[in-house]
Amino acid sequence: AQSVTQLGSHVSVSEGALVLLRCNYSSSVPPYLFWYVQYPNQGLQLLLKYTSAATLVKGINGFEAEFKKSETSFHLTKPSAHMSDAAEYFCAVSVFNKFYFGSGTKLNVKP
Amino acid sequence: ETGVTQTPRHLVMGMTNKKSLKCEQHLGHNAMYWYKQSAKKPLELMFVYNFKEQTENNSVPSRFSPECPNSSHLFLHLHTLQPEDSALYLCASSQDPEASKGGYTFGSGTRLTVV
Repeated sequence: AQSVTQLGSHVSVSEGALVLLRCNYSSSVPPYLFWYVQYPNQGLQLLLKYTSAATLVKGINGFEAEFKKSETSFHLTKPSAHMSDAAEYFCAVSVFNKFYFGSGTKLNVKP
Repeated sequence: ETGVTQTPRHLVMGMTNKKSLKCEQHLGHNAMYWYKQSAKKPLELMFVYNFKEQTENNSVPSRFSPECPNSSHLFLHLHTLQPEDSALYLCASSQDPEASKGGYTFGSGTRLTVV
């Protein structure tokens, strides 16, 4: 069975600090991988996706993620957090034409 | 601006009411979806439509009835709901079936409260 695990339901960083949101997946075949962001009272917005091209994927708002097959990970990073990054972030995996979302990580950015 | 528009944004309804949620996508996508997002629970896929045909129904109670008259419009008809049905209902679309490679484009959701 496929699964997506996001370590840490809540992450808090200071403004200007590194953002690291963790995502691990289980899949018997190479998956497609996605990160979505959800601001309060909004839908989910695609941040970036990995579809078997370059393993380092750059997305919107300065975010990037690296696909590491050996670690079955797809962690999301941003060098310097901004107050506007406060939101909930969802990792997702697509395999065998099925989509699986993680349970989400709420990012809090402290001034 | 999102290419997927949902109306209304907020809805409060009694348990005996009948209401409908509407979704429209302006992206030329071929697949549309209804998701339910409840507090402290993972996103739940409810229904999938590919080229107007329902291809997936994830054991959703019959008090939720979807309708897809064309590839651009999707409705969710609601009747005799329960308080536990209160949630954010998200519509999404994708170019490829099951959003396998391209991912979803989501609407802003309808916040439903059942009283």
